[in-house]
Amino acid sequence: QSALTQPASVSGSPGQSITISCTGTSSDVGSYNLVSWYQQHPGKAPKLMVYEGDKRPSGVSNRFSGSKSGNTASLTISGLQAEDEADYYCCSYAGGRTFNWVFGGGTKLTVL
Amino acid sequence: EVQLVESGGGLVQPGGSLRLSCAASGFTFSSYGMNWVRQAPGKGLEWVSYISSSSSAVYYADSVKGRFTISRDNAKNSLYLHMSSLRDEDTAVYYCAREPPRDYHFDSWGQGTLVTVSS
Repeated sequence: QSALTQPASVSGSPGQSITISCTGTSSDVGSYNLVSWYQQHPGKAPKLMVYEGDKRPSGVSNRFSGSKSGNTASLTISGLQAEDEADYYCCSYAGGRTFNWVFGGGTKLTVL
Repeated sequence: EVQLVESGGGLVQPGGSLRLSCAASGFTFSSYGMNWVRQAPGKGLEWVSYISSSSSAVYYADSVKGRFTISRDNAKNSLYLHMSSLRDEDTAVYYCAREPPRDYHFDSWGQGTLVTVSS
């Protein structure tokens, strides 16, 4: 199972919006509405930000939103804040016969 | 408060074995599927293995199949990963991650334990 494709880096200024894409295939992102997004600060554990494409866990800011079109999922962060600077990973269930999860390579978000 | 605390990491020679543990607290451990996810130094996340709440189903990534064994002890609120025939490329921080019932994402993570495979 190949990793999902994410841009290596994105950047934006405080207050702006950015979007991180996550491209998979018809066997993972395209087949299931089960894409999740994780934020990871340096030296810390990942934190769930969005799941099932567009749902937010309790406590996660509504500045974070997810969407999907075909084989590509996206994470949009609006009203960028300094604390949003982190690595972001998408993940899709890629089950069926093999039952597994596949992650994207990660995107480094820099808040200018 | 949900807590997942990994332990058991360390330095091991290629071909060696190691057992990781994950102690869970703050929730009904026996109701949740559990996973191991790893991250090589400076690299991205990689799903390693899953075990269902009752241990009736276990799954592995192709990269570890036949070498790693996941298990759990619900009476002790603990998750395990027995790793054998270790390779250099298994060097990583290993996280345990909780999966809610009937869901397909990881809603809580431990702080990770570092496994270094080197001679």
